[in-house]
Amino acid sequence: DAGVIQSPRHEVTEMGQEVTLRCKPISGHNSLFWYRQTMMRGLELLIYFNNNVPIDDSGMPEDRFSAKMPNASFSTLKIQPSEPRDSAVYFCASSLGSPLHFGNGTRLTVT
Amino acid sequence: SQQGEEDPQALSIQEGENATMNCSYKTSINNLQWYRQNSGRGLVHLILIRSNEREKHSGRLRVTLDTSKKSSSLLITASRAADTASYFCATDLQGAQKLVFGQGTRLTINP
Repeated sequence: DAGVIQSPRHEVTEMGQEVTLRCKPISGHNSLFWYRQTMMRGLELLIYFNNNVPIDDSGMPEDRFSAKMPNASFSTLKIQPSEPRDSAVYFCASSLGSPLHFGNGTRLTVT
Repeated sequence: SQQGEEDPQALSIQEGENATMNCSYKTSINNLQWYRQNSGRGLVHLILIRSNEREKHSGRLRVTLDTSKKSSSLLITASRAADTASYFCATDLQGAQKLVFGQGTRLTINP
């Protein structure tokens, strides 16, 4: 089992650009979570899906952030336009109940 | 605000010693989980304790849960250099699937 796969591992972009982060969950898992980690705020849950349907997006910072899960094996988190304060490590996690299985994250730097 | 808060924020001990980390939370939970994060990697699940359990063991790990005090502790016995990592507690709000993480304890094991 390859685990949760995230791409890219690192992303450096300029303010105002669109950023798309990708996640492939573990096969057979029916829940997918997007978290953001910063030194100041720790791990924040942005959004989670059950069976490809968004259940709770109350953690999405603002309308610049959007997430989709078109099928059970793929999800994207998009930031448009990006801002320097979006710089963080973004984690995707999947589960079938408990526990969560995390990917190794995408480190985003917005200059 | 965070549901779980770990204490201490940082802990440095000698190899072979025991390490104890504490977690406090605010609302009723179904279960509490502990995760480990190595530098540059995603979180890895260590152990889950349900709200009706008081203590659980897994190898060198011992977790306690006191629901009356809304607190948990993680004990790592006979620490090794490889235990150097950040440790997070996570709670699920009753009735909700999402996990809320604390700020973590950064553990350093000195050889």
